[in-house]
Amino acid sequence: QVQLQESGPGLVKPSETLSLTCTVSGYSISSGYYWGWIRQPPGKGLEWIGSMYHSGSSHYNPSLRSRASISVDTSKNQLSLKLSSVTAADTALYYCARDSSSIFHYWGQGILVTVSS
Amino acid sequence: DIQMTQSPSSLSAAVGDRVTITCRASQYISSDLNWYQQKSGKAPNLLIYEASTLQTGVPSRFSGSASGTDFTLTISSLQPEDFATYYCQQSSNAPLTFGQGTKVEIE
Repeated sequence: QVQLQESGPGLVKPSETLSLTCTVSGYSISSGYYWGWIRQPPGKGLEWIGSMYHSGSSHYNPSLRSRASISVDTSKNQLSLKLSSVTAADTALYYCARDSSSIFHYWGQGILVTVSS
Repeated sequence: DIQMTQSPSSLSAAVGDRVTITCRASQYISSDLNWYQQKSGKAPNLLIYEASTLQTGVPSRFSGSASGTDFTLTISSLQPEDFATYYCQQSSNAPLTFGQGTKVEIE
């Protein structure tokens, strides 16, 4: 059974870089599929951040492209998200998910990241 | 970007009611439309993909349909565990986009 688990700091200061890791179990990232990040501000809707294939092919939401960076570590079976120059508007629940033809079949439980000094 | 507009934003219904949620795409997306259910404090859960294909394990009371750029999620007989927020998502073009959500509450 595919499982995803996000981890990282729950509090980030404004202007700093948010860094999150998603550990995948039950499936080898190198076997295929894209792997993505989606976020949800408290009480609001869902926003796709971007997705990456194990080979490095990726696509991002243009609204975040200049600040977001996704990477995959197949040796650890992990994907990572870095979001630079964060502001309070980046406060959200961040989810990782398996992206199969842009359909999200499996999700992590999410991690709340608050941007505050 | 393709805009996804859901209606209504919220609804109240009773157990056993038939519930319909609509999602309209701002441009043609074929059948590249997916529905998710999100319960409070939980991650979204895929219900239906490609407009009408039921995800494995999802009860058959859930169904999806499409007509042009309009998509519908129907719950034939609402159950207590169905009270949640429902989101549509288009998988046709990047950036992938979601509807704003429809909250289904107990009447």
